[in-house]
Amino acid sequence: AQSVTQPDIHITVSEGASLELRCNYSYGATPYLFWYVQSPGQGLQLLLKYFSGDTLVQGIKGFEAEFKRSQSSFNLRKPSVHWSDAAEYFCAVGARRSGTYKYIFGTGTRLKVLA
Amino acid sequence: DTEVTQTPKHLVMGMTNKKSLKCEQHMGHRAMYWYKQKAKKPPELMFVYSYEKLSINESVPSRFSPECPNSSLLNLHLHALQPEDSALYLCASSQDGQAGQFYEQYFGPGTRLTVT
Repeated sequence: AQSVTQPDIHITVSEGASLELRCNYSYGATPYLFWYVQSPGQGLQLLLKYFSGDTLVQGIKGFEAEFKRSQSSFNLRKPSVHWSDAAEYFCAVGARRSGTYKYIFGTGTRLKVLA
Repeated sequence: DTEVTQTPKHLVMGMTNKKSLKCEQHMGHRAMYWYKQKAKKPPELMFVYSYEKLSINESVPSRFSPECPNSSLLNLHLHALQPEDSALYLCASSQDGQAGQFYEQYFGPGTRLTVT
């Protein structure tokens, strides 16, 4: 069965430090992969996506992610975290079902940024 | 315009009330989604509409009734809800993937529903 795992429930980093959020997936075919960010009480905003091609993808707000097929991973990175990055981050894989695509979300990683 | 709008932002309703949540997008997307999100959890898919037809119902109780009047609008009608239905209800839209391509979803800000 398809699944997405985010091993870290909470991560705390200092402002200006680098960040890596982990995401592992289980999917038979080439996956469609996404990272979303959600601020408290808000909807989800797409940070970046991977469909094919270059395995290092750039997103908004200075985020990037690298697709590693051999490790079934799609980790999110940022070289220098800002206090405004504090939020919940969700990794998702697109899966086809009943002729329609749906997301399978990971459980999320809550990022706290220390001043 | 990449915006999905949802009304109302907050809703408090009793267990005997009937209310509706509304969602609108003007991106020309032909797939629209309802999600339910409890605190500190990922969104859970409830319904998917593709070309105004219901294509996925994730075994949602009948007290939730979706409606897609046209390609830009999506409603969720609520009746006889339970306190455990209190949650953030998110709407999303995307290009339709019937041709085999998967497209990213654009989410609205959500409606915070409290059932008393």
